[in-house]
Amino acid sequence: NAGVTQTPKFQVLKTGQSMTLQCAQDMNHNSMYWYRQDPGMGLRLIYYSASEGTTDKGEVPNGYNVSRLNKREFSLRLESAAPSQTSVYFCASSAQGASTEAFFGQGTRLTVV
Amino acid sequence: AQKITQTQPGMFVQEKEAVTLDCTYDTSDQSYGLFWYKQPSSGEMIFLIYQGSYDEQNATEGRYSLNFQKARKSANLVISASQLGDSAMYFCAMRPYSGNTGKLIFGQGTTLQVKP
Repeated sequence: NAGVTQTPKFQVLKTGQSMTLQCAQDMNHNSMYWYRQDPGMGLRLIYYSASEGTTDKGEVPNGYNVSRLNKREFSLRLESAAPSQTSVYFCASSAQGASTEAFFGQGTRLTVV
Repeated sequence: AQKITQTQPGMFVQEKEAVTLDCTYDTSDQSYGLFWYKQPSSGEMIFLIYQGSYDEQNATEGRYSLNFQKARKSANLVISASQLGDSAMYFCAMRPYSGNTGKLIFGQGTTLQVKP
């Protein structure tokens, strides 16, 4: 009964370091998302994958790359971390269709110093 | 472009009273879905309620109802008989139905505090 699993839960990076946030879902969902949450800004979409093999930019894609490795997994990579990328990151997934709710992971709290 | 606006950064309500959280949206799509999520202080995102753009009746789920006014492009969440456990941040979200590739976008959120 895992749902959406994100790793790690916490991470501290130095400016310029790289890292990959992992996300996996076991609900056979087609769509997967990466969001960042900052105070006063709500959840902003970074990247989106409508199905395996496809990805699309969201509102704030700069500084990030994604890989939809297979139907289950959708990873987010920071190539050269910057303090402005300090945030809480959420992965989510949903079945196809406008009426289907998204299920969220527990979030990753990332601090870039 | 799609946009969700929640104009109330913070709200207070007395326990057992009803409260309305505002949400307006902007989209050129004719078909879309509207969602509300709750985020307690523990951080998880909890789905509350869904409204389809072609649904004629307002959605209800227990103490949650959605006041959907399509012409005004508003989808306000009404919580009846507030409880202390309702204290949380609430997010409105929209997914346009564009050939099954619609992105799910969120508003800025409203923090609700329920007073005993």
